[in-house]
Amino acid sequence: EAGVTQFPSHSVIEKGQTVTLRCDPISGHDNLYWYRRVMGKEIKFLLHFVKESKQDESGMPNNRFLAERTGGTYSTLKVQPAELEDSGVYFCASSQVTGPNYGYTFGSGTRLTVV
Amino acid sequence: DAKTTQPPSMDCAEGRAANLPCNHSTISGNEYVYWYRQIHSQGPQYIIHGLKNNETNEMASLIITEDRKSSTLILPHATLRDTAVYYCIVRVGGRGSTLGRLYFGRGTQLTVWP
Repeated sequence: EAGVTQFPSHSVIEKGQTVTLRCDPISGHDNLYWYRRVMGKEIKFLLHFVKESKQDESGMPNNRFLAERTGGTYSTLKVQPAELEDSGVYFCASSQVTGPNYGYTFGSGTRLTVV
Repeated sequence: DAKTTQPPSMDCAEGRAANLPCNHSTISGNEYVYWYRQIHSQGPQYIIHGLKNNETNEMASLIITEDRKSSTLILPHATLRDTAVYYCIVRVGGRGSTLGRLYFGRGTQLTVWP
């Protein structure tokens, strides 16, 4: 089966611009997660979708970040306007089941650089 | 926040077993121990998880102490491709809106040398 696909793989934008990251989960996976690692920090949870609903969005850093998953398939994460501190790698993951007894499959990430 | 403690780095000779320790002294009864790894700039890769019994799969073995306060990930025959950062994660069980979260710490940089 195809894995979790993220694109673009790299994005360089200027401060104040808008960027939209996309994640295509594994087909049939209802659960979709966004994580990110900013420079020098640990990988941090951003939010969790179950189908098209936001199950947990408490990790979103501020209202410049907007995640959507219309139709419960792919998801987008929009940053508007981007700031320098948003630079980092954004990972998406998916799982078929919600629960502590199942691992996630992560994508390769989108490296975002804000200049 | 991460509830685990791992050594920042370890190394291992190719072909030998790599034993990566993890302390999780505050783990609760319904929390699972997960291991992921991240090879260079790729996304984290799931390795194995367990609750209280030892587990084994095609990648590794997980040994959890009887009091569940620590665990060891064992790569039985390490290869150069196993060089990566290994994360030990305690994951909440039961139900609740935060069930989906994984708390990554700093992990252990494992270097396998020829």
